[in-house]
Amino acid sequence: QITLKESGPTLVKPTQTLTLTCTFSGFSLDTSGLGVGWIRQPPGEALEWLAVIFWNDDERYSPSLKDRLTIIKDTAKNQVVLTMTNMDPVDAGTYYCAHAKQLWVSGVWGPRGVYFDFWGQGTLVTVSS
Amino acid sequence: DSQMTQSPSSLSASIGDRVTITCRASQNIASYLNWYQQKPGKAPKLLIYAASSLQSGVPERFSGSGSGTDFTLTIGSLQPEDFATYYCQHSYGPGAFGQGTKVEIK
Repeated sequence: QITLKESGPTLVKPTQTLTLTCTFSGFSLDTSGLGVGWIRQPPGEALEWLAVIFWNDDERYSPSLKDRLTIIKDTAKNQVVLTMTNMDPVDAGTYYCAHAKQLWVSGVWGPRGVYFDFWGQGTLVTVSS
Repeated sequence: DSQMTQSPSSLSASIGDRVTITCRASQNIASYLNWYQQKPGKAPKLLIYAASSLQSGVPERFSGSGSGTDFTLTIGSLQPEDFATYYCQHSYGPGAFGQGTKVEIK
């Protein structure tokens, strides 16, 4: 059974760095074709793809946010950590982590064709002084 | 980086209706397109991956089609539990979601 859970601060101040941890079970990031991604959703708005890290340490970032994001994995602890620098009130919302699967295409895994098939419950982050 | 445009942004439909939602990519993304359903206060749920592959456990009334830049999610016969917001997501390089389509009761 695959489960994921996000943890981190519920309130950060503008200009601070947000650090979120995704702790998961039921799979390993040593397994070919797997990854963990982060997605966020401002209140009442659409989902926004942030970043994903794969079993082979490949990392992908949203082009509009890549200068502010870092994603790392700790395979031994079954955790993935996302940091976002220089937080602003517009960054407030629910942050989700999700189990990512790559497609097996032409004899190789990904990196295109990634889908999120299991999600955490999300964690709400407020940005305010 | 490809952007996704979903239409319509919302629709009203009745139980039993056939519902179609479209998603257009700003560049060719082959078949690297996924569909999700989200209900209020809940995490999204994967419905379709790789444009037309039904995720395990998802009812067969959901289907996806398309390739290149134009994609469609179809709900064959709308059920009460299908009233939700639907998102497309491409995975051609860094991913991106569409802006969502809210399906409401007529």
